[in-house]
Amino acid sequence: AQSVTQLDSHVSVSEGTPVLLRCNYSSSYSPSLFWYVQHPNKGLQLLLKYTSAATLVKGINGFEAEFKKSETSFHLTKPSAHMSDAAEYFCVVSERDSNYQLIWGAGTKLIIKP
Amino acid sequence: EPEVTQTPSHQVTQMGQEVILRCVPISNHLYFYWYRQILGQKVEFLVSFYNNEISEKSEIFDDQFSVERPDGSNFTLKIRSTKLEDSAMYFCASSEGGNNYGYTFGSGTRLTVV
Repeated sequence: AQSVTQLDSHVSVSEGTPVLLRCNYSSSYSPSLFWYVQHPNKGLQLLLKYTSAATLVKGINGFEAEFKKSETSFHLTKPSAHMSDAAEYFCVVSERDSNYQLIWGAGTKLIIKP
Repeated sequence: EPEVTQTPSHQVTQMGQEVILRCVPISNHLYFYWYRQILGQKVEFLVSFYNNEISEKSEIFDDQFSVERPDGSNFTLKIRSTKLEDSAMYFCASSEGGNNYGYTFGSGTRLTVV
């Protein structure tokens, strides 16, 4: 069965410093992996997705994530945080075995300090 | 950029009442979904809809729930007799193709059952 673990419920960084949001997954077969972001009172926006092409995936707003099969990880990074990055971030997995339903992590709230 | 539109943004209803949550998916999308997020919990899959019928549903989606695409643009979720535990944020999503395309989500309807 698939599952997603986001290792930190909250991450706090200073503006201009790097961001690392950690995600580990379990999956029987080749998964598809996504990061979604939710700003306050907004919908869920797709940041980036991995679907068995390049392992380093670039997304919107300067975010990227690397799929590491050996570590079953899909961590989200950004070189320099901006105040507008403050939001909740969700790591999501889907695979053929479960008819590609999205299985969600619990979310990580990213706090940006001025 | 095309959006998925959900109405209302907030709904308060009395226990036992029927509610209808409305969604307008992106016009050329073929697959439609409902997810929900109970406060403090993970986002959960409810149902997927394709070709005018339910293609997949979770255990949560019992006989109290139904979905409909009454015309070419709207996609609705009906809860026949609401319970306190139905209080959650309900997200509608649509996708162009299969699930690996990544979904476009609406901004959600916050349902509060009192």
